[in-house]
Amino acid sequence: AQSVTQPDIHITVSEGASLELRCNYSYGATPYLFWYVQSPGQGLQLLLKYFSGDTLVQGIKGFEAEFKRSQSSFNLRKPSVHWSDAAEYFCAVYNQGGKLIFGQGTELSVKP
Amino acid sequence: GAVVSQHPSRVICKSGTSVKIECRSLDFQATTMFWYRQFPKQSLMLMATSNEGSKATYEQGVEKDKFLINHASLTLSTLTVTSAHPEDSSFYICSASGESSGGSYEQYFGPGTRLTVT
Repeated sequence: AQSVTQPDIHITVSEGASLELRCNYSYGATPYLFWYVQSPGQGLQLLLKYFSGDTLVQGIKGFEAEFKRSQSSFNLRKPSVHWSDAAEYFCAVYNQGGKLIFGQGTELSVKP
Repeated sequence: GAVVSQHPSRVICKSGTSVKIECRSLDFQATTMFWYRQFPKQSLMLMATSNEGSKATYEQGVEKDKFLINHASLTLSTLTVTSAHPEDSSFYICSASGESSGGSYEQYFGPGTRLTVT
């Protein structure tokens, strides 16, 4: 069965530092992968997606993610974190049943 | 583009009453809409999938008679929580997908509805 694992429940980084959020997936075919961000009490906003092609994808707000088939990973990165990036981040894979399978989420805190 | 709205954003109701939550795609035709439930500090749990003009498909363990879903048009889906009880208190999020939103592989999410049952 398809699954998504986000190993880190909570990460704290200093403002201006780089960020990497981990995501591992289990999927038999070529995955369609997504990263979403959720601010408290809000819905989900799509940061970026990977369907095919270039394995390094650029998203909004300065985020990027790299698809690595050999590692079954789709890690999210940002070179310099801003205080406004503090939020919950969800990795997801689109399964053959037409549904999004979400990871458990990673809560990002940013310290000044 | 690809904006999804939900109404209301917050609702408080008494135990035993019913509550309707609306989900609208504002700038595209949503052939499929999804309803999720999210508990505090947890991920999203898919409740049901609805296609315009047909009955919703519920996930295992979700009571279809309690959570009534209607997808009457390409821009509107509703979730009605019938005979609500305090354990139904949660954050409900809808999402929508369609050709105009980037194809069936992309879902765009509404801002969520906080339901509190007293």
